[in-house]
Amino acid sequence: GAVVSQHPSRVICKSGTSVKIECRSLDFQATTMFWYRQFPKKSLMLMATSNEGSKATYEQGVEKDKFLINHASLTLSTLTVTSAHPEDSSFYICSATGGPYEQYFGPGTRLTVT
Amino acid sequence: GENVEQHPSTLSVQEGDSAVIKCTYSDSASNYFPWYKQELGKRPQLIIDIRSNVGEKKDQRIAVTLNKTAKHFSLHITETQPEDSAVYFCAATPTGSARQLTFGSGTQLTVLP
Repeated sequence: GAVVSQHPSRVICKSGTSVKIECRSLDFQATTMFWYRQFPKKSLMLMATSNEGSKATYEQGVEKDKFLINHASLTLSTLTVTSAHPEDSSFYICSATGGPYEQYFGPGTRLTVT
Repeated sequence: GENVEQHPSTLSVQEGDSAVIKCTYSDSASNYFPWYKQELGKRPQLIIDIRSNVGEKKDQRIAVTLNKTAKHFSLHITETQPEDSAVYFCAATPTGSARQLTFGSGTQLTVLP
């Protein structure tokens, strides 16, 4: 199947700082990328849908100024958590799709805000 | 919007037995139903999927059935092995949704040796 990478895998940052997470499709062009947040022992919660070259579409309740998403190319989308706080600590996962159906997930980023 | 319910939340089976996980969805326009397996701290991995024009699909020990009328679909794992232990998520995506997935709440499957 298609390969999606995510970097970094783990990051610890201080409260008030910003953190950037990268999501790359390695062997296909991803017309659409998705960003999810997952709490321990919970399901994946869609945060936003990102299409190359256009503004991301955020789900209800997700602050677009706090979670900045950029999809600059067909193989790269970034999520920047701005002015991070401890409650932003979570597992963030991206997925990418190049076709009509299948989504392929990145390995996730464990964010800890101290 | 779409709402996906998944049952059971936990399931323990003896090695070699079968496991069945069930999901229901609310949006009759949904047309794609994937199942993902997620091990602790790892990414969800697509294990099987089914589209609305098919009632059943099988891949070795894994099968998925879809009942469009009742709006439910199920995952069947036969001859379970300890390495099948993981969290399984069902999902649905309606037509025209930009392929967004709505996930079920997950099932923790434990296969006892």
